[in-house]
Amino acid sequence: DQQVKQNSPSLSVQEGRISILNCDYTNSMFDYFLWYKKYPAEGPTFLISISSIKDKNEDGRFTVFLNKSAKHLSLHIVPSQPGDSAVYFCAAVARQLTFGSGTQLTVLP
Amino acid sequence: DVKVTQSSRYLVKRTGEKVFLECVQDMDHENMFWYRQDPGLGLRLIYFSYDVKMKEKGDIPEGYSVSREKKERFSLILESASTNQTSMYLCASRTSGGWETQYFGPGTRLLVL
Repeated sequence: DQQVKQNSPSLSVQEGRISILNCDYTNSMFDYFLWYKKYPAEGPTFLISISSIKDKNEDGRFTVFLNKSAKHLSLHIVPSQPGDSAVYFCAAVARQLTFGSGTQLTVLP
Repeated sequence: DVKVTQSSRYLVKRTGEKVFLECVQDMDHENMFWYRQDPGLGLRLIYFSYDVKMKEKGDIPEGYSVSREKKERFSLILESASTNQTSMYLCASRTSGGWETQYFGPGTRLLVL
């Protein structure tokens, strides 16, 4: 059973609008969370992270929100740009990284 | 510029063949990892290594083995390839510090016929 779930396989947004990518987890032992971005034919690259002691972390256009009681995190991208089109993975840390299944984001010009 | 390289981008092998996937990192990282990526399943950890000649099983080690004879090199071995091992294989390395330091290679797409 997947401990980290990304229930939306794909998401399309218009350029300039907000993209919201969601992730749910089941394991209460997860204490650190990361988002990765993956372009075709490349490995995933680290985007942003958040510790379980925080509920928000911001880095430029990217903000991650963590709701521990709901075991839910989300990545907000504002404003979205065509270059943001990629697969986004959330990952959670207990002893090792556990990844979600990914969400393909398409930003339409 | 950090670098994790994988020996092949694409491989086609026959069922029953022994397959070697090689990974080299130039960042002097202690930790190295092998994942496979499948549609709908994300990345799943096969094996990892914290040091030379040291290895630990990940979540899906069955059918795989690994070798780490040198710090910079981590090999994934499919002893007898099967069609269900057709996948994208990703190598990664990181320091013993934060998880943000984990860097991935470009991946090897393996097709087992």
